[in-house]
Amino acid sequence: ETGVTQTPRHLVMGMTNKKSLKCEQHLGHNAMYWYKQSAKKPLELMFVYNFKEQTENNSVPSRFSPECPNSSHLFLHLHTLQPEDSALYLCASSPEALAGGHTGELFFGEGSRLTVL
Amino acid sequence: GEDVEQSLFLSVREGDSSVINCTYTDSSSTYLYWYKQEPGAGLQLLTYIFSNMDMKQDQRLTVLLNKKDKHLSLRIADTQTGDSAIYFCAELGGYNKLIFGAGTRLAVHP
Repeated sequence: ETGVTQTPRHLVMGMTNKKSLKCEQHLGHNAMYWYKQSAKKPLELMFVYNFKEQTENNSVPSRFSPECPNSSHLFLHLHTLQPEDSALYLCASSPEALAGGHTGELFFGEGSRLTVL
Repeated sequence: GEDVEQSLFLSVREGDSSVINCTYTDSSSTYLYWYKQEPGAGLQLLTYIFSNMDMKQDQRLTVLLNKKDKHLSLRIADTQTGDSAIYFCAELGGYNKLIFGAGTRLAVHP
């Protein structure tokens, strides 16, 4: 298996549920990202991990909690979400977190489509 | 703040050229990108251009950069049905953040 794999592909949850999204990359990369994709809105960067350390939290509400146990795995723990959190959540990876001179290529998973009822 | 804007929808006839436009605000951007998202898939890098270039060509794709106007365009020659997708413009701006637009949905019809 290669590339960036996200599970589950689809998730429906109530506002009081607790669930997690999982991302796994087999590319040997050291940086991983969570993005939120909503219709007609720019792709929103949520979190960045570089060598397992969180380097970016883009003012994300605490009901989203990321976890990066190693460079290959990234989780997004969800609890007490709101209907407006319904979106496609994309995981991405890159060799290292973007730095000066980096070409900026991110490798994306297929996304987890979340619906909050 | 940093902002990337692009029109949301473009419809073209098969065989015609498609031109997708994008404007950005960060004049310190070093790289600008076009990503493609096919239905049910994640984004995939299509091409990128360094900020000291004004044009880059790669087979059917031509990227034009007008740094003065902060305008980026992607031209797809001889557009095919397989080109139907969402195209995202992105810039690598200050603090090395990759800022994406909302995406332009390209529909190719016979």
